[in-house]
Amino acid sequence: GQNIDQPTEMTATEGAIVQINCTYQTSGFNGLFWYQQHAGEAPTFLSYNVLDGLEEKGRFSSFLSRSKGYSYLLLKELQMKDSASYLCAVINSNYQLIWGAGTKLIIKP
Amino acid sequence: NAGVTQTPKFRILKIGQSMTLQCTQDMNHNYMYWYRQDPGMGLKLIYYSVGAGITDKGEVPNGYNVSRSTTEDFPLRLELAAPSQTSVYFCASTISDSGTDTQYFGPGTRLTVL
Repeated sequence: GQNIDQPTEMTATEGAIVQINCTYQTSGFNGLFWYQQHAGEAPTFLSYNVLDGLEEKGRFSSFLSRSKGYSYLLLKELQMKDSASYLCAVINSNYQLIWGAGTKLIIKP
Repeated sequence: NAGVTQTPKFRILKIGQSMTLQCTQDMNHNYMYWYRQDPGMGLKLIYYSVGAGITDKGEVPNGYNVSRSTTEDFPLRLELAAPSQTSVYFCASTISDSGTDTQYFGPGTRLTVL
C-alpha cells in the first residue's frame, strides 16, 4: 500500500524554530508538496520538492531525501499566524497525489 | 480572478436526501478535482476531470456522481445521502495533470448527514 506518515500534533513557542517530518512509502515518486491549512479553511501551497536537498523560501524551508523516503518542513521565527495544519503530499508513479493526514502545529506565546 | 468557488458553505441533509455541491473556477484550468476530508484525516480523491466531458473515479467514488459540461464548472452530486458522507468537501483545480502543478482549492463545503 501507499502510506505517508506525519506527527499528528506539535507545539512550539513564538519566535522559535520547528521541524515537521514526513516519511512516505509510495509506488514511485515524482515529487512532494507541502501545503498549509488553517482551521476551517482550504489548503494553500507552500513548497514543492522533486530533487534531494533543501529549498528555502523566506521563513519556510523544505528538505527532501528520496533515498530515505523522507522530507521535512522547517519553520523559522514562528509567528502566531503559523498555527495551522501542515499537509505532506507525494506524487506517485501514476502522477496521483497521495496525501498525509497532516500535522497540527500549535504556537504558544 | 475569484479562483475556485464552492457553494454552499454549509449544509445539513437527512439520510436519503440528495444534493449537488457546486464548484466553479475562473482560471481556465483543464483539471479539476473533488476531495473529501474527514476530521484528522488526509484528503481523499472522490472524482476528477481532465477536461470538459471527461471524468474519472478517484479513491472513494461510491455514493457520488460528477459531470463536466464546461471548463469552468464541476458539480458533485450526492444521491441517497448517508451519515458516512458527513465530511468537508473541497474542490480543486490545476492547469495540468502532470501532478507537479500546484492545486488551487476552493473554500470547502461542510456537509452533515443526520
